[in-house]
Amino acid sequence: DAGITQSPRHKVTETGTPVTLRCHQTENHRYMYWYRQDPGHGLRLIHYSYGVKDTDKGEVSDGYSVSRSKTEDFLLTLESATSSQTSVYFCATTNTDTQYFGPGTRLTVL
Amino acid sequence: GQQVMQIPQYQHVQEGEDFTTYCNSSTTLSNIQWYKQRPGGHPVFLIQLVKSGEVKKQKRLTFQFGEAKKNSSLHITATQTTDVGTYFCATNYGGATNKLIFGTGTLLAVQP
Repeated sequence: DAGITQSPRHKVTETGTPVTLRCHQTENHRYMYWYRQDPGHGLRLIHYSYGVKDTDKGEVSDGYSVSRSKTEDFLLTLESATSSQTSVYFCATTNTDTQYFGPGTRLTVL
Repeated sequence: GQQVMQIPQYQHVQEGEDFTTYCNSSTTLSNIQWYKQRPGGHPVFLIQLVKSGEVKKQKRLTFQFGEAKKNSSLHITATQTTDVGTYFCATNYGGATNKLIFGTGTLLAVQP
């Protein structure tokens, strides 16, 4: 597996609080992605990045923002967490067609 | 937008039985990728098919891409308990951004 880490791995937070998830890669991959995984929906793209400071929205971007100030780090922020954002979040990276996934962050919003 | 449908959602087999999952699209796909996710784990890339009618094998796993490039299948011969997990198909879209759209996955349970 590619050198991708996510932090935190688990988080419980309350509705209305801000939350930031971090993805760190050591592969020098250009492209990075944030997905959420929910039962019955598979993996859905939230936001992606195609270079430092270059980001764009995916199919389920409402309520999320991202930043990429360095090649190796891609941050996902929930400005004001809601219960509907309870999910497992995966980061992925690639330089080609196939993607390499991090271990995931399980987020619970109470 | 592009959608990829995957069936079945769940399959339970006895160890040693065969298993197949199918991925279908209403539009022509540029490629098809297959990923496996073990329970509690993250998706791991298995294979990519690009050519019409392409067939690839990895030990007991056989992957096919349809002639019209609108469907694909993953077949496992003589399942083992190590095959347990969710199998996802995915396809690239959005040109150079390498974005993937995933099927909803098939959860395979194998009873010893």
